[in-house]
Amino acid sequence: DAKTTQPPSMDCAEGRAANLPCNHSTISGNEYVYWYRQIHSQGPQYIIHGLKNNETNEMASLIITEDRKSSTLILPHATLRDTAVYYCIVRVDDDMRFGAGTRLTVKP
Amino acid sequence: ETGVTQSPTHLIKTRGQQVTLRCSSQSGHNTVSWYQQALGQGPQFIFQYYREEENGRGNFPPRFSGLQFPNYSSELNVNALELDDSALYLCASSSWNDMRTGELFFGEGSRLTVL
Repeated sequence: DAKTTQPPSMDCAEGRAANLPCNHSTISGNEYVYWYRQIHSQGPQYIIHGLKNNETNEMASLIITEDRKSSTLILPHATLRDTAVYYCIVRVDDDMRFGAGTRLTVKP
Repeated sequence: ETGVTQSPTHLIKTRGQQVTLRCSSQSGHNTVSWYQQALGQGPQFIFQYYREEENGRGNFPPRFSGLQFPNYSSELNVNALELDDSALYLCASSSWNDMRTGELFFGEGSRLTVL
């Protein structure tokens, strides 16, 4: 079972920041938080991951709270191509357990 | 593009039949995971293979089985197909050495329809 909860859907205006929340209140100390996204009819695509510290790459930023019970994925300047289902995942053993994700719709 | 290739991309089977799906992992990756994604849901973990052996399994019955070959490619076999097996089947490859901190690279999937 997934160890995360996410809102089922969100909208964002093109060019604005998209902030996608995730709760993972039962996370263990050595478990990483991963974010993937899935554009319609494609396989999931890795975005970013982190353990304790905030992380940033060319796609997004990941903000993890100090108690590690929640995190936020930030797409700083959302484009129409960012419309997708975004999955927040806490690893269980050596496999990724996906939940239902958040369907992000970027609107012009 | 991730370098993970799956075949076939689409197929139709009837209830009770058997199906084999194939996956070629990305170069340098020695671990393969399989996922089932029903319409409107997130991917569900089926199992993972490393060094040609099953290394973990999700909540799927034994009629779901797999193989990994010396070149790290993999097959997913499903026997006695049921209507609920209709789904997108995703293969993901990774490097075992990077499993704790690495990422999965997914293929585009094989869409199975069971009639």
